[in-house]
Amino acid sequence: DGGITQSPKYLFRKEGQNVTLSCEQNLNHDAMYWYRQDPGQGLRLIYYSQIVNDFQKGDIAEGYSVSREKKESFPLTVTSAQKNPTAFYLCASSIVRQGVRRQFFGPGTRLTVL
Amino acid sequence: AQSVSQHNHHVILSEAASLELGCNYSYGGTVNLFWYVQYPGQHLQLLLKYFSGDPLVKGIKGFEAEFIKSKFSFNLRKPSVQWSDTAEYFCAVNANNAGNMLTFGGGTRLMVKP
Repeated sequence: DGGITQSPKYLFRKEGQNVTLSCEQNLNHDAMYWYRQDPGQGLRLIYYSQIVNDFQKGDIAEGYSVSREKKESFPLTVTSAQKNPTAFYLCASSIVRQGVRRQFFGPGTRLTVL
Repeated sequence: AQSVSQHNHHVILSEAASLELGCNYSYGGTVNLFWYVQYPGQHLQLLLKYFSGDPLVKGIKGFEAEFIKSKFSFNLRKPSVQWSDTAEYFCAVNANNAGNMLTFGGGTRLMVKP
């Protein structure tokens, strides 16, 4: 089945450690995104990538890094510089169909920093 | 597990027509509800959200949504659409016992004809 995979569903890390969240898609989508959700807020864009080996900062990129070495993969690293890393992280990918870009979402990863 | 259904996958309206997009969720407990919009070529933006209080929520750009607990619904409405409302609309649910993890509906693509 085609889809977007994020693993693990729940992730715990100690403060000061970097952690990498995986996002894989086998939909052959060109663009991929990382969002973050915090209690009481909507999604906020962290980074996005429209093609392999290229990515752009979103609204809240500080303390995060990404790579896009393969079309299928867009891992997000939450670095120790991110002051409030505990959050729900959602990966998405998108493709243009009939002239319209449609976005699809992964199941998300809930990161808790202890 | 919670799930979200958006029954209208594709809606075509003329300008000035009224809009109602359906969203139903399956979860018996307390929920937070969101509507997001993705305009062509852009990333997701929050339209409105419901956490508690008045079940009729007003959002940006003249949109509103009504939470009907007995029907497990959170339909999005706008009295008079404009061509610029052409976009894809996503309903999302966060169950209170799921931390801040979101479950998205499949999206509804709205096309407004000038």
